[in-house]
Amino acid sequence: RKEVEQDPGPFNVPEGATVAFNCTYSNSASQSFFWYRQDCRKEPKLLMSVYSSGNEDGRFTAQLNRASQYISLLIRDSKLSDSATYLCVVLGAGTALIFGKGTTLSVSS
Amino acid sequence: EAGVTQFPSHSVIEKGQTVTLRCDPISGHDNLYWYRRVMGKEIKFLLHFVKESKQDESGMPNNRFLAERTGGTYSTLKVQPAELEDSGVYFCASSQDWGRLNTEAFFGQGTRLTVV
Repeated sequence: RKEVEQDPGPFNVPEGATVAFNCTYSNSASQSFFWYRQDCRKEPKLLMSVYSSGNEDGRFTAQLNRASQYISLLIRDSKLSDSATYLCVVLGAGTALIFGKGTTLSVSS
Repeated sequence: EAGVTQFPSHSVIEKGQTVTLRCDPISGHDNLYWYRRVMGKEIKFLLHFVKESKQDESGMPNNRFLAERTGGTYSTLKVQPAELEDSGVYFCASSQDWGRLNTEAFFGQGTRLTVV
């Protein structure tokens, strides 16, 4: 089993749609969780951290379920500019950020 | 403030040659990481420096890869001799803290290495 697994993409949605990405992680000792965004041929950038109680940042909502070792990202009212690859990232018991393969989102007008 | 910078942005070398990648972290960031993305795969951790010391090098694929961070500032990653499977995008990242909640790692734009 991979350390971090994500929904296979791509997700193709119209503007204004709500889309959800899921992610599972295998190491129950993982401490911190993040969603990163990567635009085509660019570097990954932090989108948001994921807190145990769930957290929201504008149109983006992240949830964490430690019991199920499951993380989600919800994007409401999708914009064209949301088109990118979304990476689920976990800080393991060691010092390394562990990346999922990424889920590609394409928002069309 | 300058972000993480990597040099070169692209490198094409022949199998058996040597290549050295450089990373300049954000000033004041003690933590420096190297990652690699091979085509079609996820971004994978290579190693982590805290200042000039290697904190974790468990992701280094083999002894053809040598990373250094003399003086705790910039870092180099040397591949010698390069093999075809070393092709990919090598990312460097830096952070102020590590092992804490909400640690943010800032990534450089990467070096795209092609071994032919």
